[in-house]
Amino acid sequence: KQEVTQIPAALSVPEGENLVLNCSFTDSAIYNLQWFRQDPGKGLTSLLLIQSSQREQTSGRLNASLDKSSGRSTLYIAASQPGDSATYLCAADSGGGADGLTFGKGTHLIIQP
Amino acid sequence: GAGVSQSPSNKVTEKGKDVELRCDPISGHTALYWYRQSLGQGLEFLIYFQGNSAPDKSGLPSDRFSAERTGGSVSTLTIQRTQQEDSAVYLCASSLALSASGAHEQYFGPGTRLTVT
Repeated sequence: KQEVTQIPAALSVPEGENLVLNCSFTDSAIYNLQWFRQDPGKGLTSLLLIQSSQREQTSGRLNASLDKSSGRSTLYIAASQPGDSATYLCAADSGGGADGLTFGKGTHLIIQP
Repeated sequence: GAGVSQSPSNKVTEKGKDVELRCDPISGHTALYWYRQSLGQGLEFLIYFQGNSAPDKSGLPSDRFSAERTGGSVSTLTIQRTQQEDSAVYLCASSLALSASGAHEQYFGPGTRLTVT
């Protein structure tokens, strides 16, 4: 059974810093990995999806990497802003979609103005 | 374009009552998912629909839970004889049809917050 772990559980940094959020998964046979953000009381917003054949994806100030063999993914946020404050979730697709996504418990990020 | 919509946004019900939660996926998305987010438990996958195909119900927490999808579009999640442990946020997501490379990006609705008193 796939298990996804995110470290750290919480992170607080000053505005402008670059930061890295970590995600690890126990079963490397994944189809893809997806990163989301969740704002308080809201649903999930998709940030990036990395297919199993890819090593990284970039969107604006966000860069996500995937190393299937080691069961790790990282989300890099450049030049952090207060608006980046949210909970960041990573999720692994292990069953080709029919088994849904397996989520980590998230990293609660606070960017201090 | 319109995203995934869910209704109601909030539902408070008494223990033992039945509730129905509705999800309207993005137009053209044939794959639909239900998840549950409980405090301290993270997000838990419940059930998946591909078009009108019969779903695999093995992920549902108990036989009090059922789900259907009519016409390959709108889906309802029904919880019978609600219990306090059913209190959670129920999230729906949709995506394009699955392919050989797995699922496409999933887009989530705002969720329904269910409180069982």
